[in-house]
Amino acid sequence: EVQLVESGGDLVQSGRSLRLSCAASGFTFDDYAMHWVRQAPGKGLEWVSGINWNGGALDYADSVKGRFTISRDNAKSSLYLQMNSLRTEDTALYYCVKQFTAAGRGAFDYWGRGTLVTVSS
Amino acid sequence: SYVLTQPPSLSVAPGETAMITCGGDKIGGKSVHWYQQKPGQAPVMVIYYDSDRPSGIPVRFSGSNSGNTATLTISRVEAGDEADYYCQVWESSSHHRGFGGGTKLTVL
Repeated sequence: EVQLVESGGDLVQSGRSLRLSCAASGFTFDDYAMHWVRQAPGKGLEWVSGINWNGGALDYADSVKGRFTISRDNAKSSLYLQMNSLRTEDTALYYCVKQFTAAGRGAFDYWGRGTLVTVSS
Repeated sequence: SYVLTQPPSLSVAPGETAMITCGGDKIGGKSVHWYQQKPGQAPVMVIYYDSDRPSGIPVRFSGSNSGNTATLTISRVEAGDEADYYCQVWESSSHHRGFGGGTKLTVL
């Protein structure tokens, strides 16, 4: 059974940093691209960042580029999101998401339950 | 960035057909994926690559994509289909993955 378990969400002040983690199990982690998708309270889905199977291709939404860094450790089947210079508008539930291909245009076939990040002013 | 436009809401009676649209410039040339999100739950993929259905998703769910509009069709709507639905595309130029604003489906 595929499982994606996020951790690291917290209440932080604007301008501070936070690191999210996602522990994956139930599939061959290094065969697939992974992503972070967020959802602000009462709002829609927003793609944040993605990384291909070997970490050689990193993509970011314009809203987080230069502040957030995605990474993965295939030996540990883990995905990470380093978030710096946090803003109040980064407040959201952050989902760890598996893509069903190694890279490219594949859809998101498994989602974690999310970890909540709250940024206060 | 590429803009995807969905109607904010749609109401249908049980047993009727729901058609949720996703508009975008020449979206017919892109691959569109659809997700269902029920309150308090993570999204679930219901259609991928325009019209493919994952295992476990009822045949009542189907998709199409042409021109400037992609459509998710839910036939014989049931109370359990009440949820938010999001379309998504991959932009080949930027590698970004945009979501539509979501459509709240209400079953009357």
